[in-house]
Amino acid sequence: ETGVTQTPRHLVMGMTNKKSLKCEQHLGHNAMYWYKQSAKKPLELMFVYNFKEQTENNSVPSRFSPECPNSSHLFLHLHTLQPEDSALYLCASSQVALAGGPSYNEQFFGPGTRLTVL
Amino acid sequence: TQLLEQSPQFLSIQEGENLTVYCNSSSVFSSLQWYRQEPGEGPVLLVTVVTGGEVKKLKRLTFQFGDARKDSSLHITAAQPGDTGLYLCLAGGTSYGKLTFGQGTILTVHP
Repeated sequence: ETGVTQTPRHLVMGMTNKKSLKCEQHLGHNAMYWYKQSAKKPLELMFVYNFKEQTENNSVPSRFSPECPNSSHLFLHLHTLQPEDSALYLCASSQVALAGGPSYNEQFFGPGTRLTVL
Repeated sequence: TQLLEQSPQFLSIQEGENLTVYCNSSSVFSSLQWYRQEPGEGPVLLVTVVTGGEVKKLKRLTFQFGDARKDSSLHITAAQPGDTGLYLCLAGGTSYGKLTFGQGTILTVHP
């Protein structure tokens, strides 16, 4: 148990569906992340939120829409996905030091959501 | 874009053997982390190395950060079936956008 939970664990959706992935961290961290893990590529960083503000969007298609209502919760809203979007979606959190302090962004991952797009 | 080359991609060994996994780059990193991921779970942090030349030991696992902070290795002594999993290196530091994972090494230890 890493202190990061994700729901659902498995999701099958059609290309026209709209669904959302949920992540919650119980570690008091101030940064949260979405990653995509597929068989043929390394772990890909998608979005980063620091203190609820999005700080990174690594050229992710607009059919993926993140939302961070507070520092403990992170959502990934999905719509009109493609079959190639099928992958394991991992959420992570970390404690980023305030100005002047060391910070190594050690990632604490949830178990992931296995997404299949038909 | 920082690139992180991890090798080998696959490793299949017998229980009791030793192995080494490498993580290399042409870039200098402020820190490097190693993670282990089991099927159906997310990666779990094993260690963080931050100082050039640093060596850290975690039971049968030895982690080393290169003197120039461009490469790292993970050495497992007397591997056991419980060591089976995906091993990932992550380089980066204070800048979120520069978090870069290696491709991963799938290790299978046969009893």
